[in-house]
Amino acid sequence: RKEVEQDPGPFNVPEGATVAFNCTYSNSASQSFFWYRQDCRKEPKLLMSVYSSGNEDGRFTAQLNRASQYISLLIRDSKLSDSATYLCVVTDDTGRRALTFGSGTRLQVQP
Amino acid sequence: NAGVTQTPKFRVLKTGQSMTLLCAQDMNHEYMYWYRQDPGMGLRLIHYSVGEGTTAKGEVPDGYNVSRLKKQNFLLGLESAAPSQTSVYFCASSYPGTAIETQYFGPGTRLLVL
Repeated sequence: RKEVEQDPGPFNVPEGATVAFNCTYSNSASQSFFWYRQDCRKEPKLLMSVYSSGNEDGRFTAQLNRASQYISLLIRDSKLSDSATYLCVVTDDTGRRALTFGSGTRLQVQP
Repeated sequence: NAGVTQTPKFRVLKTGQSMTLLCAQDMNHEYMYWYRQDPGMGLRLIHYSVGEGTTAKGEVPDGYNVSRLKKQNFLLGLESAAPSQTSVYFCASSYPGTAIETQYFGPGTRLLVL
């Protein structure tokens, strides 16, 4: 079983739509949670951290449910520029401080 | 600042050949990482280093060696390349004491082993 599981998609949505991605993680010791964005053939870039209380950054809202070991990302009013792969990332905060990545969910926003 | 750079950007190897991938950062970061990314998969940790002169294994270390002789450089070596090592390799660095999420990634090296 993968440590971090995501629906690979693709999610094809029209501009202006609201889309939600989900992610589950298996390590209950996971401490920190993030969403990264990766454009085609580029390096991953941090989109936002995810907190238990939920957090919002503009059109993006992230939620964490520790009891269910579940993370979500909501994108409102989708733009063409949102087309990318969204990676769910967790860390157990061990000394190495490395990241464990999900395989990503591909989003394609269409005009 | 150049941030994190990787050399080369792309390479084709024949099975059994060796090569070294270079990662360099100019941010004085202590921690450095090598990940690989295969189609349909997330990044997987190969090796990492928490400081100059130290290295440790990640999840998929077999077939790779690393060295961190200088703080700013982290080298990934393939002694005898295999087709299974065809992948995109990303280097990252971070600075302890900051938020864990502040990992800076290089642009990647695409490796094809024939």
